[in-house]
Amino acid sequence: SYDLTQPPSMSVSPGQTASITCSGDMLGDKYVSWYQQKPGQSPLVVIYQDNRRPSGIPERFSGSNSGNTATLTISGTQPMDEADYYCQAWDRRTAVFGGGTKLTVL
Amino acid sequence: EVKVVESGGGLVRPGRSLRLSCAASGFTFDDYAMHWVRQAPGKGLEWVSGISWNSGDIAYADSVEGRFTISRDNARNSLSLQMDSLRVEDTALYYCAKGYAAAGTVYFDSWGQGTLVTVSS
Repeated sequence: SYDLTQPPSMSVSPGQTASITCSGDMLGDKYVSWYQQKPGQSPLVVIYQDNRRPSGIPERFSGSNSGNTATLTISGTQPMDEADYYCQAWDRRTAVFGGGTKLTVL
Repeated sequence: EVKVVESGGGLVRPGRSLRLSCAASGFTFDDYAMHWVRQAPGKGLEWVSGISWNSGDIAYADSVEGRFTISRDNARNSLSLQMDSLRVEDTALYYCAKGYAAAGTVYFDSWGQGTLVTVSS
């Protein structure tokens, strides 16, 4: 089975840039999506197809994917961005999620 | 407004069955694949199963293959998950999610609030 690996947690100061990584074998050959999940809420897609933002998602969210690593970048991180973030890829007719990264903004 | 609403969760003994349902509205249901994704308490997201728009393509996670059955009724804009031989490790919040397919990939652009399944003796 295909595995995606994320750091369990990271912290960032308000206004700084947060970069959350997701690694997998030849991940750059697949498209990656990113989901934000706040406590008690359902996941929300913030990036799809590596670097596309759905309507309504702030421009400070961006994504990249190359080699074995995809990265979600949040520029000018705000306190409201504190959440769990999950990467996701599609592999042989199944969806695979990373283990999630808890982002703390302090 | 796109909306998916899950129902059918509850407390069930190990080895028993449960059927989850998802009611969809606000989009052309039979244009999209639909999926179930679960989240165990305090844990991450796990994809469970997906079904294509016409039920012609169905897939399951290894962890539920042979025990769960996904189905849809396009006339009623509904998705179902029949869960048999339930195990304690199936305890989770089960989300219904609308899949968006493009360029050989799938992502989930709308999620319900989830329905909680607890498997315990």
